[in-house]
Amino acid sequence: QSALTQPASVSGSPGRSITISCTGTSSDIGSYNLVSWYQQHPGKAPKLIIYEGNKRPSEVSNRFSGSKSGITASLTISGLQAEDEADYYCCSYAGSRPYVFGSGTKVTVL
Amino acid sequence: EVQLVESGGGLVQPGGSLRLSCAASTFTFSSYEMHWVRQAPGKGLEWLSYISRSGDTIYYADSVKGRFTISRDNAENSLYLQMNSLRAEDTAVYYCAREASYGYSFDYWGQGTLVTVSS
Repeated sequence: QSALTQPASVSGSPGRSITISCTGTSSDIGSYNLVSWYQQHPGKAPKLIIYEGNKRPSEVSNRFSGSKSGITASLTISGLQAEDEADYYCCSYAGSRPYVFGSGTKVTVL
Repeated sequence: EVQLVESGGGLVQPGGSLRLSCAASTFTFSSYEMHWVRQAPGKGLEWLSYISRSGDTIYYADSVKGRFTISRDNAENSLYLQMNSLRAEDTAVYYCAREASYGYSFDYWGQGTLVTVSS
């Protein structure tokens, strides 16, 4: 059960947009539109920010958006803010396995 | 507000056992599927195990299959993880997580409990 591949780090200036990629295989992201994304601040539990690829829980800012193409899912954060500095993880349903997380991306706000 | 509170973590020797608990409150526990997820120090998240609402369907990650056992007591609003034959690589913060009602994602997480496997 190999982890989904994410870039180790992504950075951006306040107010700009950044995109985090999450690459899987035909057995997970490629087969299901069931990718979720989690934000984790240091010492805290993860928080759900995107589910089913592109849907947001009601309490999550619309600055967060998700998409998918083939075996790669993406999370875009627009209007970057200092509070967005955190670790981000993707997760895909994978059928029989049945869940696999990404390797994680540290977002730095410059 | 949904609450999930893990307990039972601590220091254990390699080969030892530990039982984690997750106490759920302010929601109808029996109506939700539940999971365990762990995070080794400085590392990423790793999904470990799933249990259905009634407990009749269970899945495990290969890394813990045959060593860990997930269970639940809906009358006590509690989720459990029995961990046997512990190894150094099992050292991590263990989270219980609720599967969202719309499925396939984890909408609430506990604060985590630290398990350290060391002699």
